[in-house]
Order: sequence, then structure tokens, then C-alpha cells
Amino acid sequence: AQSVTQLDSHVSVSEGTPVLLRCNYSSSYSPSLFWYVQHPNKGLQLLLKYTSAATLVKGINGFEAEFKKSETSFHLTKPSAHMSDAAEYFCVVSEETSYDKVIFGPGTSLSVIP
Amino acid sequence: ETGVTQSPTHLIKTRGQQVTLRCSSQSGHNTVSWYQQALGQGPQFIFQYYREEENGRGNFPPRFSGLQFPNYSSELNVNALELDDSALYLCASSLDVSGANVLTFGAGSRLTVL
Repeated sequence: AQSVTQLDSHVSVSEGTPVLLRCNYSSSYSPSLFWYVQHPNKGLQLLLKYTSAATLVKGINGFEAEFKKSETSFHLTKPSAHMSDAAEYFCVVSEETSYDKVIFGPGTSLSVIP
Repeated sequence: ETGVTQSPTHLIKTRGQQVTLRCSSQSGHNTVSWYQQALGQGPQFIFQYYREEENGRGNFPPRFSGLQFPNYSSELNVNALELDDSALYLCASSLDVSGANVLTFGAGSRLTVL
């Protein structure tokens, strides 16, 4: 069975410092992996997607994630946090052929301190 | 291209009542999925519609039902509302049923059951 673990429910960083949001997954097959961001009172927006191409995936707004199969991890990073990055972040694992195998993690709330 | 729009944005109901939520999919998308997001949690898959048929359902009771129309818009109906149904209901459209597709989300309908 698929599952997603986001290791931190809340992360707080200072503006201009690096961001690391951790995600581990389990899947019986080669999964697709996503990070979505949810700003207050807004819908979820795709940050980036991994689908068995390059293991380092670049997304929008300077975010990137590295797929490490041996560690079953897909951690999200950004070199320098901006105030506008404060939001809820969700790691998502999905099997390509199954609608009901799109599993969202519990989310990590990112705070950025000025 | 138009995004995903949901209505109403907020609504309040009492236990036992019925509610209908509406969603217009993004142009070019033929698949709509509905998610329930309780406060502080990640979205949970309710069901998916493709070509006007239910194409899969998550762990939700039959009092959660839906429709998809020829223009690919969709409705979510919940009967006999319970307090635990209070949540943000998210609609997402995608190109087709593959789990590898990016989901485009609406801003959600926030339901409060008193």
C-alpha cells in the first residue's frame, strides 16, 4: 500500500535562509511524485513533479526536489526563503494507472520570519 | 485558459440537511476529482468522474454522490449531513484519469455543519 510521511508538521526559517521540507514515501510500483503548495484561502498549486526522468526536479519559484529511490525520499528545497513562501506544502505520491492511489501527505506548514 | 472554479465558496448547513457543491473544470480537461480536506489535514480522495461516469471512489459512504455533465463540469452532493462533514471540499480537474497527470485545483468550498 502507498503512503506518504512528511516528517515535520511545521518548519520555521528566517527570510533569506535555506528551506528543507522532508518527505518519505512507500509504493509498490514506480510512482509519480509531486509537491503542491496551498496558500491561505487558495487552492493547491503544483510546485513540481517527478515521473522517472531526471532525479533532480526543478519547480516554480526556485524550489527543487531530489528523488532518492534508495532512501524512498523526495525532499523539497529552496536556497533562499522569501516571505511569500509561507504556506502549507503537501507531498503527493501517485501510481500512474490508478485514480485512487493519489495519496496526499499530512502537510508541512512553512513560516518565514522577517 | 480558464482555471477550475468552485461554488459556493462558503456555506453553513445544519445536521441532516443536504448540500450541493459545483465545479467547472479547466478547459481541455475531461476528468474531475473531488477531495475533502479537514482542518489541519491533507486532502482525502472522495471520487473521480470521467466521461460522466464515476471512475473510482475513496473511503466515503454512499451519502456522498456526484455527477459530471457533458461539458465536464461536476457536482458533489452530500446527504444527511453530519458534524464531521465540516471541511474544505476541493475539486481538481486533469487531462485524463492517469494518476501521473497534474491536478488543477479550484479554491474550494468551505462547508460548516452545525
